[in-house]
Amino acid sequence: AQSVTQLDSHVSVSEGTPVLLRCNYSSSYSPSLFWYVQHPNKGLQLLLKYTSAATLVKGINGFEAEFKKSETSFHLTKPSAHMSDAAEYFCVVSPAGYALNFGKGTSLLVTP
Amino acid sequence: DAGVIQSPRHEVTEMGQEVTLRCKPISGHDYLFWYRQTMMRGLELLIYFNNNVPIDDSGMPEDRFSAKMPNASFSTLKIQPSEPRDSAVYFCASSSGLPAYEQYFGPGTRLTVT
Repeated sequence: AQSVTQLDSHVSVSEGTPVLLRCNYSSSYSPSLFWYVQHPNKGLQLLLKYTSAATLVKGINGFEAEFKKSETSFHLTKPSAHMSDAAEYFCVVSPAGYALNFGKGTSLLVTP
Repeated sequence: DAGVIQSPRHEVTEMGQEVTLRCKPISGHDYLFWYRQTMMRGLELLIYFNNNVPIDDSGMPEDRFSAKMPNASFSTLKIQPSEPRDSAVYFCASSSGLPAYEQYFGPGTRLTVT
């Protein structure tokens, strides 16, 4: 079965510093991987997706993620955090059948 | 496009009552998903439809839960009778199946069962 593990439940960064949210996946074949963001009391929004094309994927709001098969990782990064980035971030894998398996989420706190 | 529309946004009901949650997917999308989000269990897929037909309902917790999709623009998730442990945020999402299973989520319905 395909699954993801988000290694940190909470991450705190200062505004203007880099963001790193870690995700490892488990899959017997090349998966489709996503990062979604959920702002407080809002629905989920797709940040970026990997679908076996370029291993470095660029998303919205300056976020990017790199698919590393050797490390089974799909970490999310941003060079400089903004206050508006404070939210819950979900790493997601898509097994066959169009369903999504969500990680437990990482809460990002951005301090002034 | 208005996106995925869910109603109501908030629902408070007493244990034992019937609850109906509603979803309007994005026009042209032929996949519809119902998810539940709780602190304890995170985001769980309950059921999904393709072309109005239920494909996988293995995530539906028990017989008290039922979902229907009578047409391409409307779906309901019903809980009867409701219990306090059903309190959660319920999300509806839709997808065209392409590209790469990208799903668009509604704002969610926050259900509180007292």
